[in-house]
Amino acid sequence: KQEVTQIPAALSVPEGENLVLNCSFTDSAIYNLQWFRQDPGKGLTSLLLIQSSQREQTSGRLNASLDKSSGRSTLYIAASQPGDSATYLCAGNSRQSNYKLTFGKGTLLTVNP
Amino acid sequence: NAGVTQTPKFQVLKTGQSMTLQCAQDMNHEYMSWYRQDPGMGLRLIHYSVGAGITDQGEVPNGYNVSRSTTEDFPLRLLSAAPSQTSVYFCASSYSWQGNEKLFFGSGTQLSVL
Repeated sequence: KQEVTQIPAALSVPEGENLVLNCSFTDSAIYNLQWFRQDPGKGLTSLLLIQSSQREQTSGRLNASLDKSSGRSTLYIAASQPGDSATYLCAGNSRQSNYKLTFGKGTLLTVNP
Repeated sequence: NAGVTQTPKFQVLKTGQSMTLQCAQDMNHEYMSWYRQDPGMGLRLIHYSVGAGITDQGEVPNGYNVSRSTTEDFPLRLLSAAPSQTSVYFCASSYSWQGNEKLFFGSGTQLSVL
């Protein structure tokens, strides 16, 4: 069974810092990978999707990469802002899982002004 | 577009009661799914559907029932509520069941079973 680990579980940084969130999978045969953001009491919002033929995606200050050989993904946030404070979750699927997404438990990010 | 709409936002049930959580999407997505989110457990898939008339079980299906008679709607039924079903429930949808399109989530239903 696929398991997803996100490190660290919580992170607190000063405003303006560049930071990296990590995600790893026990089954390295990842097909597609998404990074989501969740604000308190809200649903999840998909930030970046790395499709099976891709290795990274960028949107504004966010960059996500996927190393399929090691089953690891990173989310890079440049010049962090207080508005980036949220929980960030990664989720991946594989042919073996019948394409069902498996979610990590998330990293709680706090950006201090 | 409204996106994915879930109702109600909050619900309190007594053990043994039944209820239906509603989910509707207006994006013509073929894939719809229900998750529950519990502290320390993350998001777990309950049931999913790859099109009208087609449903299948996820990781934690026991105690829940679904049907999909239209593309837009995917209700989740709790047959006989138990305290273990206290959770936050999310409905999600996507163009693709293979995960190669973004997954859109509703705002959630917070359910308490006493």
